[in-house]
Amino acid sequence: DIEMTQSPSSLSASVGDRVIITCRASQDISNYLAWYQQKPGKVPKLLIYAASTLQSGVSSRLSGGGSGTDFTLTINSLQPEDVATYYCQKYSSAPPYPFGQGTKLEIK
Amino acid sequence: EVHLEESGGGLVKPGGSLRVSCAASGFTFSNAWMNWVRQAPGKGLEWVGRIKRKIDGGTADYAAPVKGRFTISRDDSKNMVYLEMNSMKLEDTAVYYCATDGGGSYNELHYWGQGTLVTVSS
Repeated sequence: DIEMTQSPSSLSASVGDRVIITCRASQDISNYLAWYQQKPGKVPKLLIYAASTLQSGVSSRLSGGGSGTDFTLTINSLQPEDVATYYCQKYSSAPPYPFGQGTKLEIK
Repeated sequence: EVHLEESGGGLVKPGGSLRVSCAASGFTFSNAWMNWVRQAPGKGLEWVGRIKRKIDGGTADYAAPVKGRFTISRDDSKNMVYLEMNSMKLEDTAVYYCATDGGGSYNELHYWGQGTLVTVSS
């Protein structure tokens, strides 16, 4: 089965920094890649789908890129409200639709 | 406004069974693929399974850890999706979320319920 691997598993950065989280698929998944944000005690929230399409209402400081097996989530000008765990997911074509293990983002 | 509400969680013994439900509103339910995702305490998100809409065959697919033990079904007349869990194990303890794209998309999970907690313990 396909596996999704995120790096790093955790990350500490300063306010104003640019942060990049990567997600690697064990097989070509075209652009069927979504990114979710989950804040402590909250429900996951869709940020980006089709690898680079920003969900309505999501800050333009966030962007996604990549295709095939390698993908990135970039957060520009890191803000305190970005503290969360971020997950990638392959969500379409043939199942299964696994998530990455998550990247916990903290502020220094 | 899209709304998903899970119910039916609770305490079950190892080897036991439980059915959780998800009530949907605010979109054309019959047009949507419905997913279940779980999250064990302090752990990451795990995709459990998905049921297609009837026009696409209405079939369900499952993650390897639950295949053969869990069954997803839907009732389009009631806008409900169900997750029947059998032969439950300690490692099935988690918050179970239903999630969907709302129909007409590619199954990215735009909408999530608040989740229902299932605890497997003797």
